[in-house]
Amino acid sequence: AQSVSQHNHHVILSEAASLELGCNYSYGGTVNLFWYVQYPGQHLQLLLKYFSGDPLVKGIKGFEAEFIKSKFSFNLRKPSVQWSDTAEYFCAVNGDGNEKLTFGTGTRLTIIP
Amino acid sequence: KAGVTQTPRYLIKTRGQQVTLSCSPISGHRSVSWYQQTPGQGLQFLFEYFSETQRNKGNFPGRFSGRQFSNSRSEMNVSTLELGDSALYLCASSLWTGIMNTEAFFGQGTRLTVV
Repeated sequence: AQSVSQHNHHVILSEAASLELGCNYSYGGTVNLFWYVQYPGQHLQLLLKYFSGDPLVKGIKGFEAEFIKSKFSFNLRKPSVQWSDTAEYFCAVNGDGNEKLTFGTGTRLTIIP
Repeated sequence: KAGVTQTPRYLIKTRGQQVTLSCSPISGHRSVSWYQQTPGQGLQFLFEYFSETQRNKGNFPGRFSGRQFSNSRSEMNVSTLELGDSALYLCASSLWTGIMNTEAFFGQGTRLTVV
């Protein structure tokens, strides 16, 4: 069965700090990986996705993630966070033509001005 | 292009009642999935429909059901509501073709409170 682990439940950073959120997955087949963000009171939005090819993917708002197959990881990074990045971040996986997404438990990110 | 639209946005129901939630996918999207989001369990997959057929089902009791219409709009129904069904119910649509990988777009959700 597929699963996703996000080890950081709540991260607090100051503006301009660098960010890295961990995501590890377990999946038996060809994997697609996603990071979604949920700003307070808003719907889930896609930050970035990995289907194949270059393991370093760039998304919106300056976020990037690196797929490391040997470590089953897809960590999210941003070199300099802003107060507006305060939100909850979800890592998700699907694959093999299956649209069902398995989500991690989410990481709440709080940015202090 | 309009996004995924879910109605109603908020619902309050009494234990034992039933409820129907509606989802209109992005135009052209034929795959519709439903998720339950709670503080304790996070985001849990309920089911997915494609071309009016249920393709995938999560581990929820039979009280949770859904359907999809020929215009790809979908409804989910929860019968005999329990307090634990209080949650944010999210609908997602995708342009699944079976050939290329796709991403899911989410609606704002329906907040269901069971009292």
